[in-house]
Amino acid sequence: AQSVTQLGSHVSVSEGALVLLRCNYSSSVPPYLFWYVQYPNQGLQLLLKYTSAATLVKGINGFEAEFKKSETSFHLTKPSAHMSDAAEYFCAVSGVQSSASKIIFGSGTRLSIRP
Amino acid sequence: NAGVMQNPRHLVRRRGQEARLRCSPMKGHSHVYWYRQLPEEGLKFMVYLQKENIIDESGMPKERFSAEFPKEGPSILRIQQVVRGDSAAYFCASSPGGRDTQYFGPGTRLTVL
Repeated sequence: AQSVTQLGSHVSVSEGALVLLRCNYSSSVPPYLFWYVQYPNQGLQLLLKYTSAATLVKGINGFEAEFKKSETSFHLTKPSAHMSDAAEYFCAVSGVQSSASKIIFGSGTRLSIRP
Repeated sequence: NAGVMQNPRHLVRRRGQEARLRCSPMKGHSHVYWYRQLPEEGLKFMVYLQKENIIDESGMPKERFSAEFPKEGPSILRIQQVVRGDSAAYFCASSPGGRDTQYFGPGTRLTVL
């Protein structure tokens, strides 16, 4: 079975500060891992995706995430937060097997940016 | 290239009525997924369909919920005899193939009075 755990339902950082959103996964097979962002009353937008190529994945809007198998983690980072980064962020996992196309989402982390 | 389209964006139903949610995938995408997001929660997988076939419905409630993706036209998620607990945002995603990136629509927010 696959699952993801997002540590911290709410994270608040100052504008210009480092953003770190934590995600740990559980998977019995090599996983695909994702980070999605959701702005209020909107759908989900893919930030980045890990598919077993490079362990450091660069995404849109300056975000990146590092896959660490030994720690079963896929934390999302951004060096300098902007006010426009305020949103809900979801970590997610799916399997590489063709039968496992569904995505399992974490419960989300709400990111707030202080001026 | 238009993204995934969902309509209506907002739907209000009274208890016992039927809700029909529509999803038009991106052009060239033949795989559709439905997810439900309850208030203050993450998205939960409901069903995965290809044209005229249900591939995985492991997340669908056993009663009152059904989904289809006909040869022509949008995918439909149908909820019969809605109850207050069905109030949620329902998101559709599409992909070209089963292992490809899923692109999400804006969602339909269902409110049951």
